[in-house]
Order: sequence, then structure tokens, then C-alpha cells
Amino acid sequence: KQEVTQIPAALSVPEGENLVLNCSFTDSAIYNLQWFRQDPGKGLTSLLLIQSSQREQTSGRLNASLDKSSGRSTLYIAASQPGDSATYLCAVSGTGKLIFGQGTTLQVKP
Amino acid sequence: ETGVTQSPTHLIKTRGQQVTLRCSSQSGHNTVSWYQQALGQGPQFIFQYYREEENGRGNFPPRFSGLQFPNYSSELNVNALELDDSALYLCASSNPGTQTTNSPLHFGNGTRLTVT
Repeated sequence: KQEVTQIPAALSVPEGENLVLNCSFTDSAIYNLQWFRQDPGKGLTSLLLIQSSQREQTSGRLNASLDKSSGRSTLYIAASQPGDSATYLCAVSGTGKLIFGQGTTLQVKP
Repeated sequence: ETGVTQSPTHLIKTRGQQVTLRCSSQSGHNTVSWYQQALGQGPQFIFQYYREEENGRGNFPPRFSGLQFPNYSSELNVNALELDDSALYLCASSNPGTQTTNSPLHFGNGTRLTVT
């Protein structure tokens, strides 16, 4: 059974810092891995999708990596801003469904 | 391009009642998935519909049921509501095979259900 874990559960950093969010999964048989952002009480916004054959994806200040063999992914946020404050969720794609971690709640202080 | 829309945004029901939640998929998407997100948790897969038929189900009891209509919109029905059903219910749409392509899943803003 696939399990997804995100560490840390919460993170508070000063504005301008570079930071890394971690995601681990137990079964390497995945189609892809996605990182989402969720603002309080809102739905999910897709940030990056990494195919199982890829190692990383980049979008602006965000960079996500994938190491299937070790069951790990990281989301790197450069030069963090208060507007980056949100919950970040990673999800792996199994057969017809996404399996999510519990998320990391990020607070970026001005 | 219209995104995924869900209605209502908030709903309060009493234990034992029944509820119907609605979702309009993004234009051009014919697969709809439903997820339940309890407070402080990641979303849990309920089921998926493709061309009006259930095409995968998570670990939820039969009182959770759904429908998909010819225009690809969808309903989630929950009977005999329990207090633990209080959660954010998210709908997501996609095209067949997009889980293996570079097209991300598109989520709506969800329906917040409170059961008292």
C-alpha cells in the first residue's frame, strides 16, 4: 500500500530565505508526482508535475526533484515571500488516483 | 477556458441526513474524481468517473455514491451522514491518460460540509 509522508508538518521562515520541503513515498511504482499549493479553505493549485522518467521540473522560483529509487521528492523555493505562505501537498499518481501526503504548512514572515 | 466549479461552497447538515454535492468539470475533460479532505489532513480518494461509469474507488463505504452526466458534470451523494463526514470535498477533472502525461489534475475550490 502506497504511503506518502511530508516533513516537516509546519515551517516558519523569514522572508528571503531559500527553503526545501520534503516528500517521501513507499512504493516506487508511480506514474508521476505532483506538488500542489492550498490556501486556507480553498482548493488545490497544481505547481509542478514530474513524470516518473524525469528527475526535476522548474517553474519560476520553484524547483521540484524526484528520486524514484529512494522514494523521495523535494520542493525547493528560492527567495521566499510572504505570499508563499500556504500548505504545500505532494501527491503520487497510482492507478487512476492520487495519493497525498498530509502537507507542510509554510509561513513566511515579512 | 472554464475551470472546475463546485456547488455549494458551504453546507451544514444534521447527522442521518443525505447530501448531494455538484461539480462541473473543466472544458474538454471527461474524467472526474472526488476527494475528501478532513481538517489538517491530505485529500483522500473517494472515487473516479469516466464516461458516466465509476472507474476506481477508494476505501469509502457504499453510502458514498456518485453520478456522472453526459456533459461530464458529476454529483457526489452521501447518505446517513455521520459527524466524521465533516470535511472539504474536492472535485478534480482530467482527460483519459493525463496521469501519464504532462497535464496536471485540475481541482475545484471544494465544498465545505459540516455535519452536526
